Amino acid sequence: DVKVTQSSRYLVKRTGEKVFLECVQDMDHENMFWYRQDPGLGLRLIYFSYDVKMKEKGDIPEGYSVSREKKERFSLILESASTNQTSMYLCASRIRRNEQFFGPGTRLTVL
Amino acid sequence: AQSVTQPDIHITVSEGASLELRCNYSYGATPYLFWYVQSPGQGLQLLLKYFSGDTLVQGIKGFEAEFKRSQSSFNLRKPSVHWSDAAEYFCAVGEGSGGSYIPTFGRGTSLIVHP
Repeated sequence: DVKVTQSSRYLVKRTGEKVFLECVQDMDHENMFWYRQDPGLGLRLIYFSYDVKMKEKGDIPEGYSVSREKKERFSLILESASTNQTSMYLCASRIRRNEQFFGPGTRLTVL
Repeated sequence: AQSVTQPDIHITVSEGASLELRCNYSYGATPYLFWYVQSPGQGLQLLLKYFSGDTLVQGIKGFEAEFKRSQSSFNLRKPSVHWSDAAEYFCAVGEGSGGSYIPTFGRGTSLIVHP
């Protein structure tokens, strides 16, 4: 089975802190994605990556950056966390045109 | 622009009753279609998908969905709901070529199951 893991299930940070959310997949998938999920808004795409060292902006990239130095790992970075970035963050991976496999999510609270 | 609509924010059914969750999309060509389920505090799990072929698709946990091109719909159905089906359900649609599509998600439908 494909496994997508995220470094933390729950995270509490202070405003202005730099935050790293890590995502690792074990099935050699080319494509990886970061979403945030908020009640009533569904999933909104932050960034995605087609391959190592490649990244593309999604619908809401402002305030975020990403890094993909190795195929299995896709990191989401909040350079200076703000309270409006309090959310559930979901990572997903995919091979070519198939379905996405999601991690369990990280619930981030910014105080 | 592509869009996915799940018209029902919440649906309440009794255990054992049938279920239909609606999904409509706006795309030009035949899209890739998905239904995912999310249990509380968890990530999303694929229920079923449609890429081509038979328009009635069978998925896991007894779910099925039917692609109706004329109605731009991909509704999810289950003949008899179990209490464990209570969860959030997301429809997703993708369009593209060469495997590089980016799926668009609906806002989700929350299913409540009464005993």
